[in-house]
Amino acid sequence: DGGITQSPKYLFRKEGQNVTLSCEQNLNHDAMYWYRQDPGQGLRLIYYSQIVNDFQKGDIAEGYSVSREKKESFPLTVTSAQKNPTAFYLCASSRTVYLWGNSPLHFGNGTRLTVT
Amino acid sequence: KNEVEQSPQNLTAQEGEFITINCSYSVGISALHWLQQHPGGGIVSLFMLSSGKKKHGRLIATINIQEKHSSLHITASHPRDSAVYICAVRRLNFGNEKLTFGTGTRLTIIP
Repeated sequence: DGGITQSPKYLFRKEGQNVTLSCEQNLNHDAMYWYRQDPGQGLRLIYYSQIVNDFQKGDIAEGYSVSREKKESFPLTVTSAQKNPTAFYLCASSRTVYLWGNSPLHFGNGTRLTVT
Repeated sequence: KNEVEQSPQNLTAQEGEFITINCSYSVGISALHWLQQHPGGGIVSLFMLSSGKKKHGRLIATINIQEKHSSLHITASHPRDSAVYICAVRRLNFGNEKLTFGTGTRLTIIP
């Protein structure tokens, strides 16, 4: 079955450490996204990628970095510069980013990151 | 005021009841998504619609572009429908990079 795999499900880190969250998809989608979810708030876009070797900042990119070296993979690094990294992180993909595409989002099961 | 407002925030109902969850938005949109977030956190896309009505099994989604309002209905609700339902709008003239998400409606169906 095609889908998106995020790992690990739970991640614990000490303050000051960088941490990388994995996201892999086998849906052959061009577009991939990283969202952050905090209690009582809607999902917020961190970064997105329209195609391999390209990515764009979302609404809350500060303190995060990404890479898109392969179509299937879009890892997110939470750096020590991120002030409030504890959150639930969701990866998503769609066939395309673009307006004209009938392109629903497919989500992974998320990674809950706790930084102490 | 948030650009996307959902109501109610929480909803508890008995099994078998007809459920309605509402989403109002204040911006021009090209599409609206309804998503279901399971207790474990994973999200499933239920509908993407830009006009009219869509139906899938016991789920029905409607949208009124003029009134800037969408509803998600669940007929013959079941405990497995218990989840958080999230509305997201895609801004006019943008793609999926400009989605604005509501804060969700937590639905609990009691057997």
